Amino acid sequence: QSALTQPASVSGSPGQSITISCTGTSSDVGGYNYVSWYQQHPGKAPKLMIYDVSNRPSGVSNRFSGSKSGNTASLTISGLQAEDEADYYCNSYTSSSTWVFGGGTKVTVL
Amino acid sequence: QLQLQESGPGLVKPSETLSLTCTVSGGSISSTNYYWVWIRQPPGKGLEWIGNIHDSGSNAYNPSLKSRVTMSADTSQNQFSLNLRSVTAADTAVYYCARRNYGSGRCDYWGQGTLVTVSS
Repeated sequence: QSALTQPASVSGSPGQSITISCTGTSSDVGGYNYVSWYQQHPGKAPKLMIYDVSNRPSGVSNRFSGSKSGNTASLTISGLQAEDEADYYCNSYTSSSTWVFGGGTKVTVL
Repeated sequence: QLQLQESGPGLVKPSETLSLTCTVSGGSISSTNYYWVWIRQPPGKGLEWIGNIHDSGSNAYNPSLKSRVTMSADTSQNQFSLNLRSVTAADTAVYYCARRNYGSGRCDYWGQGTLVTVSS
């Protein structure tokens, strides 16, 4: 199975909005509403930010939102803050009953 | 509060078997509501899904690792385990265990991760 495609890096100024894309195929992202997003700070375990395309766990800021169109899922961070600087990974269920991650996106707050 | 903790050798020799255990506290692994998952991350690289185990006995593994991976659970100890055979330097990574909700992509609890280095 091939990793989902994410941009290597995205940057924005404090207060701005940024969007991270996650592109797969009809056999993963496009075929199921099981796309999750994880935030990872250096040396830390990943943290769930969005699950099942657009659901936000309790305790996660409403500045984080998720969506999907066709074979591409997106994570939007609005009102960018310094603490949002981290790596972000998407994850999707596949038609082989397995799961696949994206390559990761480094978010930089300018 | 559910907690997961990985344990096992930090150094494994090439061609040998990497064995890790994830101990779960604050909840039971004997539930059909959850899958128990292994994920790894090579130094400086991205996350890779290794596989998951379910109380029903249905396991799923990453196709690229399937021939070398076995996962099992010990409900009496509330632990689940990962065995990865014939390791090489490419298997050097931080290994995480996690819980995923049944019928969802939600991996809501993770262990802190443990670094396993493959070297002679």
